Amino acid sequence: DAKTTQPNSMESNEEEPVHLPCNHSTISGTDYIHWYRQLPSQGPEYVIHGLTSNVNNRMASLAIAEDRKSSTLILHRATLRDAAVYYCILRALRNTDKLIFGTGTRLQVFP
Amino acid sequence: KAGVTQTPRYLIKTRGQQVTLSCSPISGHRSVSWYQQTPGQGLQFLFEYFSETQRNKGNFPGRFSGRQFSNSRSEMNVSTLELGDSALYLCASSEEGAGTEAFFGQGTRLTVV
Repeated sequence: DAKTTQPNSMESNEEEPVHLPCNHSTISGTDYIHWYRQLPSQGPEYVIHGLTSNVNNRMASLAIAEDRKSSTLILHRATLRDAAVYYCILRALRNTDKLIFGTGTRLQVFP
Repeated sequence: KAGVTQTPRYLIKTRGQQVTLSCSPISGHRSVSWYQQTPGQGLQFLFEYFSETQRNKGNFPGRFSGRQFSNSRSEMNVSTLELGDSALYLCASSEEGAGTEAFFGQGTRLTVV
C-alpha cells in the first residue's frame, strides 16, 4: 500500500483559506487520491477525491501536482466546524475499496 | 437514502467473552469495510467484503472475523476479548471502485473490562 505523509497539525483563523499538504511519492499511476476528515466523536467523512486533474466540490478543492507525488486540500474559508483531523489516502483502482489511514493532520481553527 | 447504520452504539464486555457487531450499508452498496480506531494506533483497516466475499484483511489476529450476507449487511466478531480490543469499531460502505466515496457509520464503542 502506497504511503502518504502529512504534517501532524496546522492552525488557521476563521474565514481564512487553509492549504493542507500531502506527500505521496510512491503513488502508482492508477491510485486515486482521497481526503477524509473526522470531526470529534464522529466517524470519518468524505471530503473530496481526484486522479490527475484538480477537483472542486462544495466542501473543498483538491490541487494535484503534475507528477502526482503530492496534493493539497484547500478549504477556501475555514469555519469553526472545519476543526477536525484530515486524512489523505491513496485508494487502489482495482479489487479493493479499503482505506489505509495515516496519522492525518489535526486542523485547529481559531475565531 | 438512509446512511450506514451500526449496532449497537455502545457495548461493555468482559475479558474472554465474544462480541458481534453489525453494519447495515447504504442501500445498493455491495462493498463494506471495517476499521478499528484506538488512541494509540489510530484508524486501522480490519477487513473488507464485496458480494459476500472477503477481499482483503488487515494485520489483526484470527480472533477478529467477519462476514457479509446476501443483502450486503455485514457482521464482525471478536472472540476471546482482551482489554486491548477496547476501541471504536467503524464500518464503511461504498459502491465498488477507487473513484467512489466511502460512507462511514457512527461506530460501535466497545469497552472490555
